[in-house]
Amino acid sequence: DVVMTQSPLSLPVTLGQPASISCRSSQTLVYKDGTVYLNWFQQRPGQSPRRLIYKVYKRDSGVPDRFSGSGSGTDFTLTISGVEADDVGVYYCMQATHWPYTFGQGTKLEIK
Amino acid sequence: QVQLVQSGAEVKKPGASVRVSCKASGYDFTVHAIHWVRQAAGQRLEWMGWINAGNGDTRSSPNFQDRLTLTSDTSASTAYMDLSGLKYEDTAVYYCTRTRNGSYWGQGSLVTVSS
Repeated sequence: DVVMTQSPLSLPVTLGQPASISCRSSQTLVYKDGTVYLNWFQQRPGQSPRRLIYKVYKRDSGVPDRFSGSGSGTDFTLTISGVEADDVGVYYCMQATHWPYTFGQGTKLEIK
Repeated sequence: QVQLVQSGAEVKKPGASVRVSCKASGYDFTVHAIHWVRQAAGQRLEWMGWINAGNGDTRSSPNFQDRLTLTSDTSASTAYMDLSGLKYEDTAVYYCTRTRNGSYWGQGSLVTVSS
């Protein structure tokens, strides 16, 4: 299975400050059609995961533009330009290129 | 709007089987695959398998060997996940989600395996 490794696992951030989460895959995530199936999810306590970013950088409808995704090959990043209180939760990267699809361990974002 | 509504919590004994349902609304059920993901306490999310709601094709993660059966009823716009030979470590919240990119998610169904 493709191993997804996130860092850091814990991310204390001051309100208004930027935050970044790194995600590395054990294999390239370029699918045979050239698409990179790398997605980012937010999970708040007691809730289902919510997709924020798909195919590396495409932001979902309703997701604030302070969230952005970047990267290529095996290295990817989720960036929050200015953290707000509503952003508290666990963030997961996930690859849907190689079967079985796999998630990172999760990064817990908290307000400092 | 797109909604995926799952069945309620279940408590099962080791060795038993469980069925979780996922009723879709707000879109043409046959157009998108339904995928199943589980989350055990303290563990990372685990992708289990998927079913093409249009033609019934399925694919399961090797991690579940022959214990996982995925079906769908297009007349009811509902997908089903059956897991057999339950073990204590199958205790988890089970989610259905639409497509390989996880665009929409059900609310989750807690399955507890306990003697």
